[in-house]
Amino acid sequence: SQQGEEDPQALSIQEGENATMNCSYKTSINNLQWYRQNSGRGLVHLILIRSNEREKHSGRLRVTLDTSKKSSSLLITASRAADTASYFCATPGYSGAGSYQLTFGKGTKLSVIP
Amino acid sequence: DSGVTQTPKHLITATGQRVTLRCSPRSGDLSVYWYQQSLDQGLQFLIQYYNGEERAKGNILERFSAQQFPDLHSELNLSSLELGDSALYFCASSVAGTKGYTFGSGTRLTVV
Repeated sequence: SQQGEEDPQALSIQEGENATMNCSYKTSINNLQWYRQNSGRGLVHLILIRSNEREKHSGRLRVTLDTSKKSSSLLITASRAADTASYFCATPGYSGAGSYQLTFGKGTKLSVIP
Repeated sequence: DSGVTQTPKHLITATGQRVTLRCSPRSGDLSVYWYQQSLDQGLQFLIQYYNGEERAKGNILERFSAQQFPDLHSELNLSSLELGDSALYFCASSVAGTKGYTFGSGTRLTVV
């Protein structure tokens, strides 16, 4: 089952515009992570935000986390054609003995038009 | 190059056959995770190994098995293949604890 659900499923914007993607999750979390996947390639870790953080920045990325609403958003500012990719949120689930596994949402497919 | 190496990149095989996918984790990472990505199911967690021991199982079919060797590389064995097993299979690695994963570039399996 999917823990995180991204919204929208697809987003198309012009280069230079900002892109906002949202993620909702169901259970309490220790952290939430965002990943990018270029078509047919491996996922790349973008940013991790801990449950006691409300906002985090990394370059043109801004992530917010609202644990009361069980939601997170990823904002990409001044988008570029190279940002065209699918973006996934992921949350850890714990299986004991200090082990955790990430559960991924189905992703938001972002297209940035030059 | 992410540091996680997966081979082969592409694999085409017939139904009923058995294949082995290989993964070498990033240097220093003890945990290896296998995921299956298909259009309809998204990214599904299959299995995790930590320092040679199985730590968790997800939606892994009984026809599938995995292991992690003393040098920390891992293999995912898929047997009695069906058309529905066609997917991208990713390996990821991480250090212990709640850190981000480093993914390999995947193996695209096509069952015909």
